[in-house]
This record gives sequence, C-alpha cells and structure tokens, in this order.
Amino acid sequence: DTAVSQTPKYLVTQMGNDKSIKCEQNLGHDTMYWYKQDSKKFLKIMFSYNNKELIINETVPNRFSPKSPDKAHLNLHINSLELGDSAVYFCASSQDPPGLAGDEQYFGPGTRLTVT
Amino acid sequence: SQQGEEDPQALSIQEGENATMNCSYKTSINNLQWYRQNSGRGLVHLILIRSNEREKHSGRLRVTLDTSKKSSSLLITASRAADTASYFCANTNAGKSTFGDGTTLTVKP
Repeated sequence: DTAVSQTPKYLVTQMGNDKSIKCEQNLGHDTMYWYKQDSKKFLKIMFSYNNKELIINETVPNRFSPKSPDKAHLNLHINSLELGDSAVYFCASSQDPPGLAGDEQYFGPGTRLTVT
Repeated sequence: SQQGEEDPQALSIQEGENATMNCSYKTSINNLQWYRQNSGRGLVHLILIRSNEREKHSGRLRVTLDTSKKSSSLLITASRAADTASYFCANTNAGKSTFGDGTTLTVKP
C-alpha cells in the first residue's frame, strides 16, 4: 500500500535514554516533516526536509536530531530523553514544500512516546 | 510562533445535522488546509483552499476563506456518526504550515 509509515507505534522508555523513530514514505514525495502533538492535541512542526536538505528547523532542543538518508526516509533521534518529551510524534510527507502547488501533507499513524 | 485558532473547541450534534467549525489565523497565507484526526490516529487531509479562492466544495464538505478577516470555515453537511473526530486547520505561509488547536466534533447517532 502507498503510505507514510512509522516505527515503532509505541515507545516506552526511561529518562536519560536515547531512542530513534523511523519514518518511510513510498509516495515519491520530495518533502518530509516531523510534528509533535502534545496532550492537548496541539500539533507543532519540528523539522522539515526537502530532497534530503533541512528546510524547517523550529525551536527544538538539540537533543532532537533528524536524519534523512534519502528522500523516502526521515528518522528522528532523541538523546537524553526527558519527561516533557512524552507526546505523539507524527511524520508527514508532501510532494512540494508548504506554499507550493503540491503541498498537501500525508501523515503517518504516529508514534506514542512515553518517558518514565 | 504563529498559531491558528479553531472555534468552537468542542462541538456535539445529532446525526443528520450540519456542523460548522471556524478557523482564524494571524499572518498572510498561501493556502489553508483542513485535516481530520480520528482518535489515536494520524491526520487525514480533507481539503485545501488557496488564498485567491473564496469557497471550495468536496462531497459533504464546504470550506470558505475570508482573507480580509483572516478566517476560514469548514461546514460538514448531513453529519454522520463516522464524522466524529478532531478537525484541524493549517495555514501555510513563508514555507511553513501552522496548525490550530483543533475542534473536537462528536456526532451522536
């Protein structure tokens, strides 16, 4: 099936650990995103890559590091996890960056991260 | 950072009724998009309206855009229980999409 997929779907870990979330899209899109959705459902952009180049880098702690090995993948690595990192993290992709003709975003199912 | 705002925050209606949700934003925009999120799931793109458009239809969805008031509305006609979800607007400006807080819609059968 064509889709945006994320792994794992659930991640429970202790404070101080380092973890990664993987995202893959087989839609042939050039742009990928990471969003964080907090407990109040507010969705905030974290990073965006276009053709493996970082184009959006919001005010995010440098413990968060995205990596795009190719256009179809955008992984998120988080160092020294903190309680406040608990949230649902969504990956998304679009053909074009926001503001251009093909910028409708397609979202993955989310990764629920719980830091204890 | 700028943030869109939806109102109402929560809306409860009976099946068959129409549901109207509003979205306001603060900057000029390239386009505005509406998404639906079912509980525990990812967001699904519903409809996009560009800054030079005033109204757009897609099935039971009707979206309007008033750039002078910096607001948009999403109307769902003849609602169904399956429309129960959270609805978000996202405005796009300067290469970035900013999501609002969402409206939680409950459609009672």
